[in-house]
Amino acid sequence: DQQVKQNSPSLSVQEGRISILNCDYTNSMFDYFLWYKKYPAEGPTFLISISSIKDKNEDGRFTVFLNKSAKHLSLHIVPSQPGDSAVYFCAATLGGGADGLTFGKGTHLIIQP
Amino acid sequence: DAGVIQSPRHEVTEMGQEVTLRCKPISGHNSLFWYRQTMMRGLELLIYFNNNVPIDDSGMPEDRFSAKMPNASFSTLKIQPSEPRDSAVYFCASSPGTGGETQYFGPGTRLLVL
Repeated sequence: DQQVKQNSPSLSVQEGRISILNCDYTNSMFDYFLWYKKYPAEGPTFLISISSIKDKNEDGRFTVFLNKSAKHLSLHIVPSQPGDSAVYFCAATLGGGADGLTFGKGTHLIIQP
Repeated sequence: DAGVIQSPRHEVTEMGQEVTLRCKPISGHNSLFWYRQTMMRGLELLIYFNNNVPIDDSGMPEDRFSAKMPNASFSTLKIQPSEPRDSAVYFCASSPGTGGETQYFGPGTRLLVL
């Protein structure tokens, strides 16, 4: 019973185009959501987050959208760059972000030149 | 400015042996988390501490696993005895501990139990 689901194990996008990564969750008590990026043999690195009281947060090329009624969030990367090729993890937590994270299984994003 | 430090980076051991993984959180961070990554289960929370006190250990798989945080700058995750199914990458992360902030991950320890 996965509480955070990333249904696309991989995604291939052309350089310069928009990458859209999706994430669904089942626990309506989650109140803070994060995206992490991971390269091989490294730990996950924080990318962007959003509180459940918001529906959008933007940071440079990265935007996260939250649809609470659908229990769905997405990460948009515009424009996509070769260095964006990595595994992206969606995570959710309770307690405003103070608790441990519940992760999805990740989406491997491949940016093609 | 050092990030989260984990040691060893790689560990190969035989079934039945004791394994100790170490973590030094970012200075000033009050929360410390241990995660495990496997192909089957992905990244999952094992235990986390706040101000050196274990808050939630519901993710610890069995009594063979134990974690301690004797002070604010050091934590250990011990597996005794180890089994092949414990083979995974173990990550430590830390955060300021006040809520609504990022967790910073270490590079992980890749454990192989033969």
